[in-house]
Amino acid sequence: NAGVMQNPRHLVRRRGQEARLRCSPMKGHSHVYWYRQLPEEGLKFMVYLQKENIIDESGMPKERFSAEFPKEGPSILRIQQVVRGDSAAYFCASSPPSRGPMNTEAFFGQGTRLTVV
Amino acid sequence: AQRVTQPEKLLSVFKGAPVELKCNYSYSGSPELFWYVQYSRQRLQLLLRHISRESIKGFTADLNKGETSFHLKKPFAQEEDSAMYYCALGAISNFGNEKLTFGTGTRLTIIP
Repeated sequence: NAGVMQNPRHLVRRRGQEARLRCSPMKGHSHVYWYRQLPEEGLKFMVYLQKENIIDESGMPKERFSAEFPKEGPSILRIQQVVRGDSAAYFCASSPPSRGPMNTEAFFGQGTRLTVV
Repeated sequence: AQRVTQPEKLLSVFKGAPVELKCNYSYSGSPELFWYVQYSRQRLQLLLRHISRESIKGFTADLNKGETSFHLKKPFAQEEDSAMYYCALGAISNFGNEKLTFGTGTRLTIIP
């Protein structure tokens, strides 16, 4: 099991372009979480998805950001019309279906570092 | 709203000396606390969780509800302990999912 795979590891975009970040969860995991880490800050929750469903997007900025986790393929975090303030490390984590809250461990990918120039 | 505070950004400790990484939290409900570690060029991984009361790699952490703290301790530091350490608080969202709130992290450096 290769673990949670994120790509690309580094992404450079000019202001106004779109950024697409991909996350392939571990085999057997149907839950995906996205976190953002701004410089000098901790990881901040953005969105929680299960296959084909967004469950909790309370941490997502209201505009320009969207996420999906289709039936087939990786989860995608999409940022439209990027601005300098979007520069950050974006981490994905996955977990299997849980027996109950707090019973499972989330496994993290290595992150995608987005730089907006 | 939940919050996790790690007051030390950087901590340097001599090899063999005791280590304590501080973590304080604020949460109105019953907290679930975790420590995650990120070694150089590796991904974030779970070190320990308070509910299991385990000792991992010699590290322990006790949840003190009175002081709202979950400090990470190790009696004798080793060079391989050098890493970034994150304290995290787990809470159930309004949607029923577990949501982790992370502190800003402490970079621990063990001096040989």
